[in-house]
Parts: sequence; C-alpha cells; structure tokens
Amino acid sequence: EAGVVQSPRYKIIEKKQPVAFWCNPISGHNTLYWYLQNLGQGPELLIRYENEEAVDDSQLPKDRFSAERLKGVDSTLKIQPAELGDSAVYLCASSLLGPSDEQFFGPGTRLTVL
Amino acid sequence: GQQLNQSPQSMFIQEGEDVSMNCTSSSIFNTWLWYKQDPGEGPVLLIALYKAGELTSNGRLTAQFGITRKDSFLNISASIPSDVGIYFCAGHGSSNTGKLIFGQGTTLQVKP
Repeated sequence: EAGVVQSPRYKIIEKKQPVAFWCNPISGHNTLYWYLQNLGQGPELLIRYENEEAVDDSQLPKDRFSAERLKGVDSTLKIQPAELGDSAVYLCASSLLGPSDEQFFGPGTRLTVL
Repeated sequence: GQQLNQSPQSMFIQEGEDVSMNCTSSSIFNTWLWYKQDPGEGPVLLIALYKAGELTSNGRLTAQFGITRKDSFLNISASIPSDVGIYFCAGHGSSNTGKLIFGQGTTLQVKP
C-alpha cells in the first residue's frame, strides 16, 4: 500500500513569490494534517482536516497561508507571498479516523526562500 | 501552550551501547508517542503509550509513560548503526486532545 505522497520534494523560490505544496494521503484516511518543521525542531501542526472540513487551523498564519482539501482526499497548502522565514520542511500526514489514531507522515517538501 | 522538553539534544555513542532519552512537560499529557525521523523522510511511529505507568517494548526499544503523566523515556538497547536518526517524543495534551505536540528531538549518532 502506498504511503503519504507529497510533491514537490524540494522547492527553491525567491521571496515574495507564491508556492504550493501537494499531498495525497493514504487511501481511506479521513484525517489529513499539515505540519511545519523548522531546522532542529519537531513538527508543528498548521492545520488538520477531517474529510474536507478544516477542524483546527488555529496555527495557520492566515495572512499568507491557505489550504484546501477538495473532495476530502488530496490537499494543497499555499503560501503567498513567501518570506525568508518560511524556509522549512512542510510535512503532510494522514490518519484513518481522528487524531488519536496513528499518523503516517509523508517525506515532506523542503522549501528554501531566497 | 503545552510544550515538551526533550533531552539530551544529541548523543554520540559506540555500537552496542545502550541509549536513554527522555521527555518532560510541565502539564499533563494523555498519550506519549516516540517517533524516529531519518534524513529526508517524515517521522515514523516507534512506540505509543496510552496509560500512566505503561511500559511497552518494540524489539530493542522500550518506552514508559510516567506515573505523573508529565514525562516519558525511551531506551534503545545494544545500538546498531541503523539506529542513527532523530528521535522525537510527542503527545496529546489534556487541554487539546486533537493536537499532537512534538519535542525538539534527540539526534543519535552511532559509531561502528
């Protein structure tokens, strides 16, 4: 069975440019998460979806970040415009039911903003 | 918000040695999880703990959920080179059980 798929794996952009990350969760997993991982730190939750509904987006900087999960499957995380401090790894994870279930992580997208 | 303090920050050991790392919090956690992250990959769950005092093993790994619900430790016995990586503790706090909170990680290096 395929794991969580993320693309691209690496992205280098100049500041003020937009960028988008894509995630395909494990088939049948209802809950999807986007995490931010800064260098030398643990992942921090940005947003959690249950099916197509964002049930926890309290940590998402809504002035420049947006996310969507159309049809409750794939998800896209967007940053517009990107800032230097956005350089980090963006991890997607999914779980079968709610957050108490095991979360399976994708390989992440490493973003570098120049 | 709730935070996890993980120690040590890094370890450099000889193959065959045992390793111990721990995680503490000033507030109560309802679950404790231990993950390993290899370079360029996402974290992978190693052990999950759900009850205070619980002691669980997974091969050479052993983890415990502290009695006070404010700490947990992970032991690795007889380390091997493939144990190299970053180990994270994580947990669901009592104030927001829907959010998984991670520690800062312990980087383990094993010398053959």
